[in-house]
Amino acid sequence: KNQVEQSPQSLIILEGKNCTLQCNYTVSPFSNLRWYKQDTGRGPVSLTIMTFSENTKSNGRYTATLDADTKQSSLHITASQLSDSASYICVVKRGNNRLAFGKGNQVVVIP
Amino acid sequence: GAVVSQHPSWVICKSGTSVKIECRSLDFQATTMFWYRQFPKQSLMLMATSNEGSKATYEQGVEKDKFLINHASLTLSTLTVTSAHPEDSSFYICSASPMRGIGKRDTGELFFGEGSRLTVL
Repeated sequence: KNQVEQSPQSLIILEGKNCTLQCNYTVSPFSNLRWYKQDTGRGPVSLTIMTFSENTKSNGRYTATLDADTKQSSLHITASQLSDSASYICVVKRGNNRLAFGKGNQVVVIP
Repeated sequence: GAVVSQHPSWVICKSGTSVKIECRSLDFQATTMFWYRQFPKQSLMLMATSNEGSKATYEQGVEKDKFLINHASLTLSTLTVTSAHPEDSSFYICSASPMRGIGKRDTGELFFGEGSRLTVL
């Protein structure tokens, strides 16, 4: 069973609308959680990195939240743009420095 | 920001040949680099951890004689897919964490290369 589950697997949203992506994890012990954006055929690019004590972190129109008690994180995209079409990957780092990857949320923004 | 470069970005080869993919950290040193492969609509799968000056650590199920890794310097790691077969066709990505500070500690940041698309005919 994957230790990092992301939902929804894919979604289509209209340009200008907001959306929220979910990441639930069972990784323990926890070190940090990262959200990456991966364009098709490209390498992942870091959006946010959050440690145990951080609840919210923003990067432009991207806002990540973390609830370490329930082991849940979300990535909120505000006022989506066509360039936001990508896969968003949740990555959890364990205390032993190993990483657990989610399968990604595939987002398609349409005009 | 830190940049990790991969070369080539895509390669097509005949079955049975070997292909080398390079991963370079352009503006930082990294004693450890990571190699992943990614199939369509799947998550990144860690293949091996490349250690500068020593042998790579391979994940379970990854053939070390098939996927040769060399980490000759603090800025370069190479992955060689030997005797490639069509089932080796995939997207290969590397990543690295900068080592900074007097004690050269891992900063915890992780930067990915742009990936290399391998197609074996």
